[in-house]
Amino acid sequence: GAGVSQSPRYKVAKRGQDVALRCDPISGHVSLFWYQQALGQGPEFLTYFQNEAQLDKSGLPSDRFFAERPEGSVSTLKIQRTQQEDSAVYLCASSRTTSGSRDEQFFGPGTRLTVL
Amino acid sequence: AQTVTQSQPEMSVQEAETVTLSCTYDTSESDYYLFWYKQPPSRQMILVIRQEAYKQQNATENRFSVNFQKAAKSFSLKISDSQLGDAAMYFCAYRRLIQGAQKLVFGQGTRLTINP
Repeated sequence: GAGVSQSPRYKVAKRGQDVALRCDPISGHVSLFWYQQALGQGPEFLTYFQNEAQLDKSGLPSDRFFAERPEGSVSTLKIQRTQQEDSAVYLCASSRTTSGSRDEQFFGPGTRLTVL
Repeated sequence: AQTVTQSQPEMSVQEAETVTLSCTYDTSESDYYLFWYKQPPSRQMILVIRQEAYKQQNATENRFSVNFQKAAKSFSLKISDSQLGDAAMYFCAYRRLIQGAQKLVFGQGTRLTINP
């Protein structure tokens, strides 16, 4: 596709519900990232995939957060038993390869999650 | 751990004037990458400019340039001839040079307003 796409763009969940956020990276991009952006803050790293392998999940805030990329393309970020503090914009980014400063991360528009 | 600090939550500038956004960072590493990203109200993050720490020459991209002071760990962004389309949140970001270590560490952001 032309860029990174994310769905849904907006999600409202009641506290305790499970949610799934989808990311479609740019075709052929090896690396995929998830970031969490709280209101008025900079994005914070959640997790990183190289193809289907999850190489870094150090930013996931709790075991309620789970991410997968089973075929090395589309990725899903799942949040179980949502809490109000999970309310944020979740950004997905992809890059062509795995190293080098010229390897730009392209961001999607984000999914705004509101937990009531 | 690396940290990035943007001490100006908001800045404003008259159209056609020049504005400088500040960024400082903390790291014990000698080689790394630095970036400025722009996030317009639609939320899609766009790369503005990048700098490799091992290069002494400051990066320039059209109206955008940086002042990279490695010893001071300072990385400011200068926007010349400001345009209405430059209005956005601007984030400074750091990335390690190590192979595969691609996650970005962002600052808190600076909201730039352009006054017509």
